[in-house]
Amino acid sequence: GENVEQHPSTLSVQEGDSAVIKCTYSDSASNYFPWYKQELGKRPQLIIDIRSNVGEKKDQRIAVTLNKTAKHFSLHITETQPEDSAVYFCAASPGGSNYKLTFGKGTLLTVNP
Amino acid sequence: DAGVTQSPTHLIKTRGQQVTLRCSPKSGHDTVSWYQQALGQGPQFIFQYYEEEERQRGNFPDRFSGHQFPNYSSELNVNALLLGDSALYLCASSARTGEQPQHFGDGTRLSIL
Repeated sequence: GENVEQHPSTLSVQEGDSAVIKCTYSDSASNYFPWYKQELGKRPQLIIDIRSNVGEKKDQRIAVTLNKTAKHFSLHITETQPEDSAVYFCAASPGGSNYKLTFGKGTLLTVNP
Repeated sequence: DAGVTQSPTHLIKTRGQQVTLRCSPKSGHDTVSWYQQALGQGPQFIFQYYEEEERQRGNFPDRFSGHQFPNYSSELNVNALLLGDSALYLCASSARTGEQPQHFGDGTRLSIL
């Protein structure tokens, strides 16, 4: 089955800096890659997703890039703010957004004011 | 527009007991997926229900079962509870039409004593 590796497990940045989180996946059939943000004690919230027919997607300060050949995808957050502090999870699915998601183990992002 | 709602919020059980968790999907969603999130880990897929049938299943034993009702709401049942079943149980809903992404509820925190 699918296996998703996520790095780093913790990331600390200064407010205003950029943050990058990287994930690799094993199943070449995977075609849908969402990113979720989970604050302490709260639900995972979808922040951005990308499908395999797209190489990059942006939404304000957040961007995701996908390299299908290398089987890796990355989350980029620019101009980080303290409210960006949370655990971020990447996930992959071979059947689109309605199929089972395989998650990475998460990255704890801390943005220091 | 109500999002995904889950009940109860917290639950304490003892080993060997059984438990039922409930989920109401986001308005307009017809697919419900259940995930188990252990402390410090990413969510793990349990199973998914669509049209009142289990469509996909993850690597969980038969002690985990579910149901979907005609109004798309769903239940997760766990029998013969083990200490290792202690976790946050998350429900996610999505819509097949238009391949809507999965949105999560706040989860049920299950503690086994």
